[in-house]
Amino acid sequence: QVQLVESGGGVVQPGRSLRVSCAVSGFNFTDFGMHWVRQAPGKGLEWVAVISHDGSRTFYADSVKGRFAISRDDSKNTVSLQMSSLRVDDTAVYYCARDLWNYLFDYWGRGTLVTVSS
Amino acid sequence: EIVLTQSPGTLSLSPGERATLSCRASQSVINRYLAWYQQKPGQGPRLLIYGASSRATGIPDRFSGSGSGKDFTLTINRLEPEDSAVYYCQHYRSSPRYTFGQGTKLEIK
Repeated sequence: QVQLVESGGGVVQPGRSLRVSCAVSGFNFTDFGMHWVRQAPGKGLEWVAVISHDGSRTFYADSVKGRFAISRDDSKNTVSLQMSSLRVDDTAVYYCARDLWNYLFDYWGRGTLVTVSS
Repeated sequence: EIVLTQSPGTLSLSPGERATLSCRASQSVINRYLAWYQQKPGQGPRLLIYGASSRATGIPDRFSGSGSGKDFTLTINRLEPEDSAVYYCQHYRSSPRYTFGQGTKLEIK
């Protein structure tokens, strides 16, 4: 069955960097684009970034553009989000999600919590 | 950018009843590119409905979606305790933003 498992969350100080990753299984990874979506504590869902199925295209939300970078490793079936210059308002659970079609997300992980605090 | 507004904020119903959740868009949603997700505490969202009315794989027929233009509805028949969750609508295949509504919390008691 399809599984997405995020890891790498934790507590980090403002201005520092953190990398979160998502390991996937149960489907042909190279057939699908992958996204990161975040959810601040007690808040709704915010799309963050996407990488195309072949890794050739990436797009970001304005709130993270220039600070975050999404990448994928097809040999390990993983997608990662490198987060730099972190701010307090980046605190959230970060979910990876599979792109079924044009930003329609058909499978999600359980998320990893990133807390930015001094 | 299309803004999605969901109502009500919270809905409290009893098992066996019917839930009606609303999602209103600030502009018409082209080709009914509107999805619904269910999120339970501690879990990632689960896709329920896409194309406004098509059920995703494995979703029971108690869940149905309808609507077009600016107004969309998720209906859940014969409520069960495990339907307690937050439900989000989403406008997909849009540029530049892929927006979600703010969510409706459904309580079954």
